[in-house]
Amino acid sequence: EDKVVQSPLSLVVHEGDTVTLNCSYEVTNFRSLLWYKQEKKAPTFLFMLTSSGIEKKSGRLSSILDKKELFSILNITATQTGDSAVYLCAVESNAGGTSYGKLTFGQGTILTVHP
Amino acid sequence: DAGITQSPRHKVTETGTPVTLRCHQTENHRYMYWYRQDPGHGLRLIHYSYGVKDTDKGEVSDGYSVSRSKTEDFLLTLESATSSQTSVYFCAISDSLDTTTNEKLFFGSGTQLSVL
Repeated sequence: EDKVVQSPLSLVVHEGDTVTLNCSYEVTNFRSLLWYKQEKKAPTFLFMLTSSGIEKKSGRLSSILDKKELFSILNITATQTGDSAVYLCAVESNAGGTSYGKLTFGQGTILTVHP
Repeated sequence: DAGITQSPRHKVTETGTPVTLRCHQTENHRYMYWYRQDPGHGLRLIHYSYGVKDTDKGEVSDGYSVSRSKTEDFLLTLESATSSQTSVYFCAISDSLDTTTNEKLFFGSGTQLSVL
């Protein structure tokens, strides 16, 4: 059974702090790892990672994948109150005979940034 | 933003009644998905569709059925709602046109369903 575990489950910081969110996984036939940000409603896409060691960056957010150790981290520098959200990690695996990529989600990390 | 509309946005129903949730897309994407989100479980796949009349089960499909008679609409039906189906339901679509490329889901705004 595919498994994705995120840590910590919740995190409270102050504006300006740097945070690191973790995602470890065990899946069959790994294809990619995705990060999503979920505020009050729909999750919104942040990053897709497919190769080890290549950092993806978008503003103050960055992420990297380690396919040997089966984990990814999401870094947020100089946090702002607008970064408060649930951050979801999902891993796509090749579902074998079916024609789609199956996504398995972690439980999410609740990040709260205080002014 | 991907054009995905879920309806209704909120629904309260009684145990044993049938419920249908609708997902409508304007993107002409092939793949559509229904997920449920519960505390401590993240998002779990209920059913998905890879084309008109082509659907398959996800990891938590018991008690649910789906239909896709048009590219733009994907319906999720709870045949006889139970309290354990109280959840937030998200529809998602994929912009992958080729099954060999990686998935990147776009989500609707969700339906909050309460079964009393």
